[in-house]
Amino acid sequence: QVQLQESGPGLVKPSQTLSLTCTVSGGSISSGSNYWSWIRQPAGKGLEWIGRIFTSGRTDYNPSLTSRVTISVDTSKNQVSLKLNSVTAADTAVYYCARGAVWSGYFYPFDVWGLGTKVTVSS
Amino acid sequence: EIVLTQSPATLSLSQGERATLSCGASQNVKSNYLAWYQQKPGQAPRLLIYDASTRATGIPDRFSGSGSGTDFTLTINRLEPEDFAVYYCQQYGSSLLTFGQGTRLDIK
Repeated sequence: QVQLQESGPGLVKPSQTLSLTCTVSGGSISSGSNYWSWIRQPAGKGLEWIGRIFTSGRTDYNPSLTSRVTISVDTSKNQVSLKLNSVTAADTAVYYCARGAVWSGYFYPFDVWGLGTKVTVSS
Repeated sequence: EIVLTQSPATLSLSQGERATLSCGASQNVKSNYLAWYQQKPGQAPRLLIYDASTRATGIPDRFSGSGSGTDFTLTINRLEPEDFAVYYCQQYGSSLLTFGQGTRLDIK
């Protein structure tokens, strides 16, 4: 059974780079049928999709964040990474990684989620 | 960007009643790629429904989804205590995935 675990600093200073890692266990991140997303949720608010990466390396980003975000995969470590530059207090949130799938051209939504990691942007 | 609008924002019902949650899209959702998630406090969202009407693995049959195009509904029959949570719809038919703002289902 695939499990996801987010990790990274819980506190980031304004203007710095937020870096998070999602470690995949119980399966290979290179499975040709999956895509991996980052989603965030400010306290008491709704879900915001940040972006995703396919096993092909293709990425899609939320246009509201595309100038600041990079999602990448390290297959040797079975990890997905998120980097968000020039953070402000508005980037304070719980950050989730999640798995979706694509089979024979059909897309599937997020069936596996990590527990989330809380990131606070503050000096 | 496909904007999803959920209604009502809050729904107060009693155990055993039926809940009807709506999700409206600003444009057609390709292939009815519409999912519903349940989120409880301090937990990650859980996938309930995908492709507008297909229950995810392990989801009780009191949960059902319907709709197509721009109008979608999540129905929960015979509410159980564990069903009181926040519900989100999400479309995955475009390269920009979006979520609705959520409906909170409260115990009356």
